[in-house]
Amino acid sequence: AQTVTQSQPEMSVQEAETVTLSCTYDTSESNYYLFWYKQPPSRQMILVIRQEAYKQQNATENRFSVNFQKAAKSFSLKISDSQLGDTAMYFCAFQGGAQKLVFGQGTRLTINP
Amino acid sequence: GAGVSQSPSNKVTEKGKDVELRCDPISGHTALYWYRQRLGQGLEFLIYFQGNSAPDKSGLPSDRFSAERTGESVSTLTIQRTQQEDSAVYLCASSLVFSAGGPVNEQFFGPGTRLTVL
Repeated sequence: AQTVTQSQPEMSVQEAETVTLSCTYDTSESNYYLFWYKQPPSRQMILVIRQEAYKQQNATENRFSVNFQKAAKSFSLKISDSQLGDTAMYFCAFQGGAQKLVFGQGTRLTINP
Repeated sequence: GAGVSQSPSNKVTEKGKDVELRCDPISGHTALYWYRQRLGQGLEFLIYFQGNSAPDKSGLPSDRFSAERTGESVSTLTIQRTQQEDSAVYLCASSLVFSAGGPVNEQFFGPGTRLTVL
């Protein structure tokens, strides 16, 4: 079975700083997808960024980028020029041949003014 | 267009009662998923529908939990004889049809139902 581990329960940075959230996963599959989701207090799950395992190039979406290390089974999220609106829970998730998403335990990120 | 909707937003019930949670997926989305999120935890998969069949029920925690889906539309998650450990947020997601070997389709989430069992 796949597992996803987020080792940082909480993180806090100042506005405009760069922050990196860590995620590792375990799988025997070769084709899969990885995601970072944001969950603000409203509970709404928002997709931040996705990475296809067969692509070597790291995904980027504006201020959000990932560092995908397939051999190490590592998938970290970097948020540049952090903003107050980035304050939320962040979840790393894996999707393989089965359709379900497997989530990590989450990292609570606080951006301070 | 409208996103995934769930009702009720909040539900408080007494231990031993049955509850029904409803999910309305995005129109045209044939795949539908239920997840559970306990306080301070990540999401746990419960069940997945493709159309009105459920090829993966592996996450249902006990036989007190069941779900059904009408065609490619609304789904209902039923919890019988609720227990305090059932207290959680129940999230529903939908996506376009899954095609083996094809690109993955994004799962769009609803706002969830917060269930509190007293």
